[in-house]
Amino acid sequence: AQKITQTQPGMFVQEKEAVTLDCTYDTSDQSYGLFWYKQPSSGEMIFLIYQGSYDEQNATEGRYSLNFQKARKSANLVISASQLGDSAMYFCAISGTYKYIFGTGTRLKVLA
Amino acid sequence: EADIYQTPRYLVIGTGKKITLECSQTMGHDKMYWYQQDPGMELHLIHYSYGVNSTEKGDLSSESTVSRIRTEHFPLTLESARPSHTSQYLCASTQGTWDQETQYFGPGTRLLVL
Repeated sequence: AQKITQTQPGMFVQEKEAVTLDCTYDTSDQSYGLFWYKQPSSGEMIFLIYQGSYDEQNATEGRYSLNFQKARKSANLVISASQLGDSAMYFCAISGTYKYIFGTGTRLKVLA
Repeated sequence: EADIYQTPRYLVIGTGKKITLECSQTMGHDKMYWYQQDPGMELHLIHYSYGVNSTEKGDLSSESTVSRIRTEHFPLTLESARPSHTSQYLCASTQGTWDQETQYFGPGTRLLVL
């Protein structure tokens, strides 16, 4: 079985500051993928970043980085230099054998 | 990056009507998914397909049905719409093996059943 837990229903961050969104997971698979998606108020789901379970280095994509701690089963998203356009829902997800599971999401609000 | 399309984007319809939500992708992805999502809430998988003539029900019980006659097309049908079906419906397709599969989403269909 797989499970994703996002414990922060909502977060605030000041513009230009960094913010960390928490994600912990549980899986019985040896090989799996971890993902973060952004969902603005318009509703579409935008893929941000991917981390493979065997990747030793943390994934980075521009201002997004994934802080992967396998022993702790955590895959936190770090957004550096927050922008007003980063205000959105953020979902963590895990892919494994026949399943793709999303967390409940964190709503991020960037303050000017 | 995948190109995945959903129509209509918005639909307001009366109770009892039959509706079909369209989803098409142009990247030749084998796997396609339908999710139901209430505003600001988590996504619930309602149907998925691993290829032509393959369809499975997801974790959330749904009164909808799907078909996969062509690789690029994965329509979802509600035979008799009810107010409880009011939600956003997201279609996705994936690329890669199951532990690497990045899901690419369409823009969604927002359904309101009166």
